[in-house]
Amino acid sequence: NAGVTQTPKFQVLKTGQSMTLQCAQDMNHNSMYWYRQDPGMGLRLIYYSASEGTTDKGEVPNGYNVSRLNKREFSLRLESAAPSQTSVYFCASKDPPGEGEQYFGPGTRLTVT
Amino acid sequence: SQQGEEDPQALSIQEGENATMNCSYKTSINNLQWYRQNSGRGLVHLILIRSNEREKHSGRLRVTLDTSKKSSSLLITASRAADTASYFCATFPRSSASKIIFGSGTRLSIRP
Repeated sequence: NAGVTQTPKFQVLKTGQSMTLQCAQDMNHNSMYWYRQDPGMGLRLIYYSASEGTTDKGEVPNGYNVSRLNKREFSLRLESAAPSQTSVYFCASKDPPGEGEQYFGPGTRLTVT
Repeated sequence: SQQGEEDPQALSIQEGENATMNCSYKTSINNLQWYRQNSGRGLVHLILIRSNEREKHSGRLRVTLDTSKKSSSLLITASRAADTASYFCATFPRSSASKIIFGSGTRLSIRP
């Protein structure tokens, strides 16, 4: 039982490049989330998916797209990376709706130069 | 702005002392949770308190919730070096069953 896994762990991009961050969970959770955490700051919600087939914007969705590929997988895409997107990205999952603890992945450290 | 705001932003205490962190939020909630983050790691769930509860205990943790003031506190008693971490509150707004909003966190340092 791996919990929540994220790939890659580290990535360096040049401005304008694109990439997809992958997230998978094996806990059969319906809800999945993408957050970003800037140095010394809290987590800001980028997008979330309440269930397979649905996605919704969070606090800071601009510059990102997401795909809920199936119940297990939720990917985050940066179409044209900008230095302002340098951050640590965390994926999380949880059940049931309205409560339940979130389980977090180990994070992806992204630097955009 | 974020739904939850913790204070203080940073707290340094002696090992064995108690640590208290506070969280304020803006909208009506279903429940509130506290998480811990060790440096460079993901967040780990500590405790959940529902909107109809006023106080909850788990080991050395005590959480209070005052929905009239839209605030919560986390007390860690008899602190240990291993408690050094950042602590975040997370709220579940009534308007959305799945959306979760995190506060900005309190960085707790325990001096030996």
